[in-house]
Amino acid sequence: AQKVTQAQTEISVVEKEDVTLDCVYETRDTTYYLFWYKQPPSGELVFLIRRNSFDEQNEISGRYSWNFQKSTSSFNFTITASQVVDSAVYFCALSDSTGNQFYFGTGTSLTVIP
Amino acid sequence: NAGVTQTPKFQVLKTGQSMTLQCAQDMNHEYMSWYRQDPGMGLRLIHYSVGAGITDQGEVPNGYNVSRSTTEDFPLRLLSAAPSQTSVYFCASRRDREYYEQYFGPGTRLTVT
Repeated sequence: AQKVTQAQTEISVVEKEDVTLDCVYETRDTTYYLFWYKQPPSGELVFLIRRNSFDEQNEISGRYSWNFQKSTSSFNFTITASQVVDSAVYFCALSDSTGNQFYFGTGTSLTVIP
Repeated sequence: NAGVTQTPKFQVLKTGQSMTLQCAQDMNHEYMSWYRQDPGMGLRLIHYSVGAGITDQGEVPNGYNVSRSTTEDFPLRLLSAAPSQTSVYFCASRRDREYYEQYFGPGTRLTVT
């Protein structure tokens, strides 16, 4: 069965602190895809990143970085020097090789305090 | 491009009533999906479509029907609403099989009393 676990329900940090959001997944597929989405208070979902199961390279995009480790089935997301605009709910998601079935975690609500 | 649009934004139904949530996209995307978002449960896939005339079930399809007669539209029908269907519904689209980024609509908040 496919499953995504985001154990951190809520996190609060002070502006400029670094924060890591954890994501652990379960799948029996050898080919799969992992995603992070951001849901700001306005409610829309914004795509942040996609990773396929064959690419374990870490990725950095500005203040955002992602650490994918197949050995621990984790795909963690770090925000460096957090800002108030980073306050949102962040979802980790997993899809099968077809991309037809998506499984979302329960989300981590991040609050950045000015 | 308007992207993915959903109507209505808010809806209140009585138990047993039926209604259709509308979803449209103007990006010529092949794939479209419906999700529901409930507190503490993340998003769950209801139904999806890989092209006009082709639909399939997701994780929580019971109580919902879909059809895809055109590339642009993917309506979600509730035949007999139940309080358990109170949720926020999101429609999403993606370009094709090879392209995995999904674009989400703004959501419809549905309350069933």
